[in-house]
Amino acid sequence: KQEVTQIPAALSVPEGENLVLNCSFTDSAIYNLQWFRQDPGKGLTSLLLIQSSQREQTSGRLNASLDKSSGRSTLYIAASQPGDSATYLCAATDSWGKFQFGAGTQVVVTP
Amino acid sequence: DTAVSQTPKYLVTQMGNDKSIKCEQNLGHDTMYWYKQDSKKFLKIMFSYNNKELIINETVPNRFSPKSPDKAHLNLHINSLELGDSAVYFCASSQESSTDTQYFGPGTRLTVL
Repeated sequence: KQEVTQIPAALSVPEGENLVLNCSFTDSAIYNLQWFRQDPGKGLTSLLLIQSSQREQTSGRLNASLDKSSGRSTLYIAASQPGDSATYLCAATDSWGKFQFGAGTQVVVTP
Repeated sequence: DTAVSQTPKYLVTQMGNDKSIKCEQNLGHDTMYWYKQDSKKFLKIMFSYNNKELIINETVPNRFSPKSPDKAHLNLHINSLELGDSAVYFCASSQESSTDTQYFGPGTRLTVL
């Protein structure tokens, strides 16, 4: 059974610093891995989706890497801003199309 | 324009009642989902429908019954509500299969008293 873990559970950084969020999964037979952002009281916003055949995906200040062999994905957010404060979740999709989410990393960027 | 919408946003009810949560997507997607997010923020998939047909049915009590009148709607009906049903329920949709990018609704916070 796939287990997805995100470390750290919470992270606080000053504005301008780079953010590094980690996601690990136990079963490397994933179809893809997706990163989401969740704002308080709101739904999830998809940030990046990495197919199993890809190593990384980039969108603006966001970069996500995927290493299936080690069961890890990392989300980098460059030059963090207060507006980046949110909870970030990763989710691994298996070949059956089932999502398994991590518990999330709560990020606070202080001005 | 809201891509994936859910109603109601908040639902407070007594144990034993029956309630429904509605979900609609205007993205033209074929697949829709229901997720439950517990107090520890874990998101767990409950159901998935593709073109009105059930394709994923995780181990949830049979008090939960999804209904898809058409591929733009996936409603969740819950019978005999229990305290443990209190959670945030998210609806989502994707273009085709579960392996495509999923778009989530704002969530429905259900509180059972």
